[in-house]
Amino acid sequence: EVQLVESGGVVVQPGGSLRLSCAASGFAFNDYTMHWVRQASGKALEWVSLITWDGASTFYADSVKGRFTISRDNSKNSLSVQMNSLRSEDTALYYCVGERNRIFQYWGQGTLVTVSS
Amino acid sequence: EIVMTLSPATLSVSPGERATLSCRASQSVSSNLAWYQQRPGQAPRLLLYGASTRATGIPARFSGSGSGTEFTLTISSLQSEDSAIYFCHQYHDWPPRATFGQGTKLEIK
Repeated sequence: EVQLVESGGVVVQPGGSLRLSCAASGFAFNDYTMHWVRQASGKALEWVSLITWDGASTFYADSVKGRFTISRDNSKNSLSVQMNSLRSEDTALYYCVGERNRIFQYWGQGTLVTVSS
Repeated sequence: EIVMTLSPATLSVSPGERATLSCRASQSVSSNLAWYQQRPGQAPRLLLYGASTRATGIPARFSGSGSGTEFTLTISSLQSEDSAIYFCHQYHDWPPRATFGQGTKLEIK
């Protein structure tokens, strides 16, 4: 059974930092590009960042570029994102997603990040 | 940036009937389109990719068609469990920059 389990979501003050993690199991993690996708309450899904299977390439949405850093550890089947200089507009449910051939195949249940004073 | 527009915003259909959802791209995405289902409180689930290929485990009553800029998701013999938000996602652009669009909320009467 494929599982993606996100963790690390908490309430944080504006300007603060947070690290989200995702533990993967049940599929060939090494073969998948991994993404973070977020969803603010009542809003559409928004792609945040991706990292290729080997970690060699990363891409970011303009809204988080320079503030977020995505990383992965294939030896531990894990994905992370370091989030700095957080803003209220970063408040959302963050999903870890496994993608192959550009198709978002596997989704976690999400972890909630709330940026508020 | 390719903008995806779904219609209608809300659809209410009786059990056993058919629902037809439309997705329009602001420019051609060929057949590089996927459909997802998001039930309340759950993560999105892949339904179709390549505009018409069902993902593993998706029942045959879910079907898709279209190419270029116009796409359709048809759900036949609606069941109560089909109540969800459905959205399309184009993967013609890469890396993905666009959002997924607001989605269509399907209600089963």
